[in-house]
Amino acid sequence: GAVVSQHPSWVICKSGTSVKIECRSLDFQATTMFWYRQFPKQSLMLMATSNEGSKATYEQGVEKDKFLINHASLTLSTLTVTSAHPEDSSFYICSAYYGSYEQYFGPGTRLTVT
Amino acid sequence: GESVGLHLPTLSVQEGDNSIINCAYSNSASDYFIWYKQESGKGPQFIIDIRSNMDKRQGQRVTVLLNKTVKHLSLQIAATQPGDSAVYFCAENINNNDMRFGAGTRLTVKP
Repeated sequence: GAVVSQHPSWVICKSGTSVKIECRSLDFQATTMFWYRQFPKQSLMLMATSNEGSKATYEQGVEKDKFLINHASLTLSTLTVTSAHPEDSSFYICSAYYGSYEQYFGPGTRLTVT
Repeated sequence: GESVGLHLPTLSVQEGDNSIINCAYSNSASDYFIWYKQESGKGPQFIIDIRSNMDKRQGQRVTVLLNKTVKHLSLQIAATQPGDSAVYFCAENINNNDMRFGAGTRLTVKP
């Protein structure tokens, strides 16, 4: 149990376009999901907390209008990178809580903006 | 601000030896800690966790030690195998839903 999937696993887009990344909890319901960004050889940085049925909570320095998060159901959260630029190229990882403290991560999405 | 950090960015060990990865944290209010393993191009994988009311917890080939006095966390891997090669992150849970990750240590296992 506790499987989190992401789609797509990798995406290449042109600068100025928008990209949507999906995060799904496959065998459990997740009222809260998290979105992280990871640059090469660096740690995971929390971008935002996605809450089902309400607005996401963004970390300081993360532009909410650029990184749109929608958590429309208990098994799906989406992250849309709007007007992507090369500096947005990164590894985006989502996670969800299973149980009180156990956080399970998706496999990540590699975004490359050309 | 408060953060979680690691003492060693890289660690190289011989196959079969024991590995010890260290982590220092600064938030004394943290009540839950987790070690994750991340292989290249993949998401973090849960290894083992420990609550602040414990000082040691053992899993299969792994042991986590928590020293709250000096705010130190360590991950011990017994009989390290090539498949253990990865980046290891410690993470601390702050206020329930707030998980903060350390910088990571790259473990390389030499055959």
